[in-house]
Amino acid sequence: DSGVTQTPKHLITATGQRVTLRCSPRSGDLSVYWYQQSLDQGLQFLIQYYNGEERAKGNILERFSAQQFPDLHSELNLSSLELGDSALYFCASSVGSLAGVDEQFFGPGTRLTVL
Amino acid sequence: GQQVMQIPQYQHVQEGEDFTTYCNSSTTLSNIQWYKQRPGGHPVFLIQLVKSGEVKKQKRLTFQFGEAKKNSSLHITATQTTDVGTYFCAGGYGQNFVFGPGTRLSVLP
Repeated sequence: DSGVTQTPKHLITATGQRVTLRCSPRSGDLSVYWYQQSLDQGLQFLIQYYNGEERAKGNILERFSAQQFPDLHSELNLSSLELGDSALYFCASSVGSLAGVDEQFFGPGTRLTVL
Repeated sequence: GQQVMQIPQYQHVQEGEDFTTYCNSSTTLSNIQWYKQRPGGHPVFLIQLVKSGEVKKQKRLTFQFGEAKKNSSLHITATQTTDVGTYFCAGGYGQNFVFGPGTRLSVLP
């Protein structure tokens, strides 16, 4: 158990809908990262937040947005969902702001299925 | 932009054989991390290398960072079925980082 929690574990929805994925980082970690992993694919970095502020942006679509709240939990919002958005979404957390330096602890992921 | 490549994409070995995956960056890295993801699981941090030419060992796993800090390797001696999974490298470029596409290891008993 990494100490990072993600809800829900599974999500099934229809095209055009909007969903929110939630992540709670490890106690004491200030950074939260979001990743997308499609079937048998690598980890696609989406976005990083550090202490409530956006820190780094990856290949995140305009239909996707995220935020980190004062209690440090984070939400990833996916809207106008398409079939291709079906994937495993991981959240990770780390102590500091330097993503390339700090060890990241990954949550169990949310499996999103868009029908 | 920064790119991190990994080879091979897939590797099938017989239990007891050795395995090596290579990670290459298009530009100089500040550091490199390795993660392992078991089938159906989430990535788990294995190690971080920072110094040029650094070599670190964890039981049967040996990690190397190239002298030019543009490549790295992970070598597993005498693979076991518990080594099955995808091994990712993540290249650090100061405040940014890039994950490689991963090498998927299958171990046949």
